[in-house]
Amino acid sequence: EAGVVQSPRYKIIEKKQPVAFWCNPISGHNTLYWYLQNLGQGPELLIRYENEEAVDDSQLPKDRFSAERLKGVDSTLKIQPAELGDSAVYLCASSFDRGPTEAFFGQGTRLTVV
Amino acid sequence: DAKTTQPPSMDCAEGRAANLPCNHSTISGNEYVYWYRQIHSQGPQYIIHGLKNNETNEMASLIITEDRKSSTLILPHATLRDTAVYYCIVRAYTGTASKLTFGTGTRLQVTL
Repeated sequence: EAGVVQSPRYKIIEKKQPVAFWCNPISGHNTLYWYLQNLGQGPELLIRYENEEAVDDSQLPKDRFSAERLKGVDSTLKIQPAELGDSAVYLCASSFDRGPTEAFFGQGTRLTVV
Repeated sequence: DAKTTQPPSMDCAEGRAANLPCNHSTISGNEYVYWYRQIHSQGPQYIIHGLKNNETNEMASLIITEDRKSSTLILPHATLRDTAVYYCIVRAYTGTASKLTFGTGTRLQVTL
């Protein structure tokens, strides 16, 4: 079974440009997470979806970040415009939350804003 | 979710057992203890989780104290490939699971 797939793996953009990250969760997983990880820190939650509903987006900087999960499957995270401080790894995870199960993470997208 | 406290770093000789401690003194009755690890440049990898009983799988063992205020992750025979940052997380489950809240973890260095 394929794991959580993220693309691109790496992205370099100039500041003020837009950028988008894509996540394909494990088939059948109803919950999807986007996390941000700065160098030397643990991942921090940006947004959590249950099916297509965003149930926790309190940490998402809504002035420049947006996310969507159409049809409750794939998800896209967008930043517009990107700032230098957005350079980080963006991680996607998914789980089937009908019990205290584990969440599976993708490899992440490493964003560098120059 | 309850907070956890872990030592920032630990060393272990290859072939020896690695015992990684975690303190979660404010854990609630509906919170599970989860362990993840993150090898350099990869996403976090699930290791094991438990509520109050000790758990074992092919990767590790999880020992939770009777009062549930602390736990220990045991890698029985550490190898160089176990070098990673290990995160101890408490996560509530009340019909649906809450988010995973990561701290800064323990950096385990396995040496020859």
